[in-house]
Amino acid sequence: KNEVEQSPQNLTAQEGEFITINCSYSVGISALHWLQQHPGGGIVSLFMLSSGKKKHGRLIATINIQEKHSSLHITASHPRDSAVYICAVSRGSQGNLIFGKGTKLSVKP
Amino acid sequence: EADIYQTPRYLVIGTGKKITLECSQTMGHDKMYWYQQDPGMELHLIHYSYGVNSTEKGDLSSESTVSRIRTEHFPLTLESARPSHTSQYLCASRQTGTNNSPLHFGNGTRLTVT
Repeated sequence: KNEVEQSPQNLTAQEGEFITINCSYSVGISALHWLQQHPGGGIVSLFMLSSGKKKHGRLIATINIQEKHSSLHITASHPRDSAVYICAVSRGSQGNLIFGKGTKLSVKP
Repeated sequence: EADIYQTPRYLVIGTGKKITLECSQTMGHDKMYWYQQDPGMELHLIHYSYGVNSTEKGDLSSESTVSRIRTEHFPLTLESARPSHTSQYLCASRQTGTNNSPLHFGNGTRLTVT
């Protein structure tokens, strides 16, 4: 069993839909990261969080430390949100990141 | 605008050639990483560095080597390229410790070995 599990693996949505991507982990962490990778290959860090909730534009990330679970929400989805969303956790301030396999999101117009 | 730079963006090279993939960051981050990623697959850590003169091998065995002579520079070298090295190579950095920062990625180098 992977230490970081994401679901779903693939997700297709219609433009405007509310989207949720889930991430569960089985290890103690110092922070959880949500990353976005577009088809061109570049990766952008969306959020780094260790508790509670963060919001940036239409994106919201939440984390429940007790349940070892995080969600990434996209409100009013748009075709430009189509990308692979990757959850990663870091263990300790010096620890390397452990990555999930990613969720491929496709938003249709 | 990218604060971490990788060159070249694309590289096609013949078997047996020596290549160096460049990575530089302007943020003064202490930790730097090299990841390998095949199309549609997850990232695999091949090398990382805690700081100057510190390099470690990652989770995925790799025939490449790295060096960290300056904080901002973390080049990756393949002494003799093979077709099995064809992949995307992504460099990343972050600040660890009390000023823990998110991970910053370069745009990647797509390597094809013929």
